[in-house]
Amino acid sequence: QSVLTQPPSVSAAPRQKVTISCSGSSYNIGNNFVSWYQQLPGSAPKLLIYDNNKRPSGIPDRFSGSMSGTSATLGITGLQTGDEAEYYCGTWDSSLSTWVFGTGTKVTVL
Amino acid sequence: QVQLVQSGAEMQKPGASVKVSCEASGYTFTTYAMHWVRQAPGQRLEWVGWINTGNGNTIYSQKFQGRVTITRDTSASTVYMELSSLRSEDTAIYYCARFRTSYYFDFWGQGTLVTVSS
Repeated sequence: QSVLTQPPSVSAAPRQKVTISCSGSSYNIGNNFVSWYQQLPGSAPKLLIYDNNKRPSGIPDRFSGSMSGTSATLGITGLQTGDEAEYYCGTWDSSLSTWVFGTGTKVTVL
Repeated sequence: QVQLVQSGAEMQKPGASVKVSCEASGYTFTTYAMHWVRQAPGQRLEWVGWINTGNGNTIYSQKFQGRVTITRDTSASTVYMELSSLRSEDTAIYYCARFRTSYYFDFWGQGTLVTVSS
């Protein structure tokens, strides 16, 4: 079962901005840190954001994370063709005692 | 540098078992837990389970309980994931991922394709 809901797809022109939402509950997003992963076609996932809003070394500041209540948001500014990928949110679910991923969002650069 | 190198692609028949390995290098193996995540063709990421590489304790997704076993060999800095009673729905890419205690995966293996077909 999927407990984190994301929009199936978002799109925008190059250099524009997109936001991806991740909706959960008090058992997961509401009480645990959220991370975000980028999965390019044919590749393993890659960490983009951790602890809700921190970027690992090497991730440009075009990528940002935020959260409010039981929802988290990934923002991508200055969209580039290389950003076309699937994006997943993830966190621990204290009720299920499992790690949960979002449903995934495909970003398309028009 | 941190690296997670997984074993090669596998093809198995329904009802058989498969064991995938994940060799870690570039850090102290027992410092970080290791998780397994799978992705069926065209589907989202799905969590399988994890192992405390220090003491060997494991937790599995209820979906795979009874069919999955995660073990580790500290002398070889390697984690293994064995899935039994395979069915066609288990066809997927299986990833190992290093886990940080504030809840995120910072490094991932390259993935191992497991195909279940008669």
